[in-house]
Amino acid sequence: HVQLQQWGAGLLKPSETLTLTCAVSGGSLSDYYWSWIRQSPGKGLEWIGEINHSGRTDYNPSLKSRVTISIEMSKNQFALKLKSVTAADTAIYYCARGFEGYKFDAFDVWGQGTMVTAS
Amino acid sequence: SYDLTQSLSVSVALGQTARITCGGNNIGSKNVHWYQQKPGRAPVLVIYRDSRRPSGIPERFSGSNSGNTATLTISRAQAGDEGDYYCQLWDSSTALFGGGTRLTVL
Repeated sequence: HVQLQQWGAGLLKPSETLTLTCAVSGGSLSDYYWSWIRQSPGKGLEWIGEINHSGRTDYNPSLKSRVTISIEMSKNQFALKLKSVTAADTAIYYCARGFEGYKFDAFDVWGQGTMVTAS
Repeated sequence: SYDLTQSLSVSVALGQTARITCGGNNIGSKNVHWYQQKPGRAPVLVIYRDSRRPSGIPERFSGSNSGNTATLTISRAQAGDEGDYYCQLWDSSTALFGGGTRLTVL
């Protein structure tokens, strides 16, 4: 079955760029949408954005100016970059798969989460 | 923007039925998904598209959606059902989550 393994720097200074990577095992990036979602005590779960296998991206309007999601098919990985972080970006970040390959659907597989602190 | 409203907490006696609601304007016209989250773990999908269960989710979990309220129902509640439950939908091409409901099994 498909598993997502994510990693990246956990401690950043304000103004630095957050970079996280999510590797897909047991399946392919093809035919699915891949999202990043974060969870902070103050704002709950917040969808950051998504990418599909052809590189098409959609972002949360509230973060769009600072977010880039990319995909590397040869490595079966996708990545998140969030620039100019502040303390408000402190959260657990998750990668997740869109269910059955449909856009605008549920998230059926999640990574283990990465705690990122900006301080 | 579209607002999703969940109660902060719900309590249920062991073996009884718990109902967790998610309110939103005409939410019945949207597909609603539900997640269970336990401390220190990623969310797990328990209901998708209002009422469908992913494989591996017990039949005790069911969902409905009509009017301004979507409901997750957990029958014969067990201690292992304790956790936070979140509703989720898409609005204007953005995924939105409810604030979460803490389920306590007494």
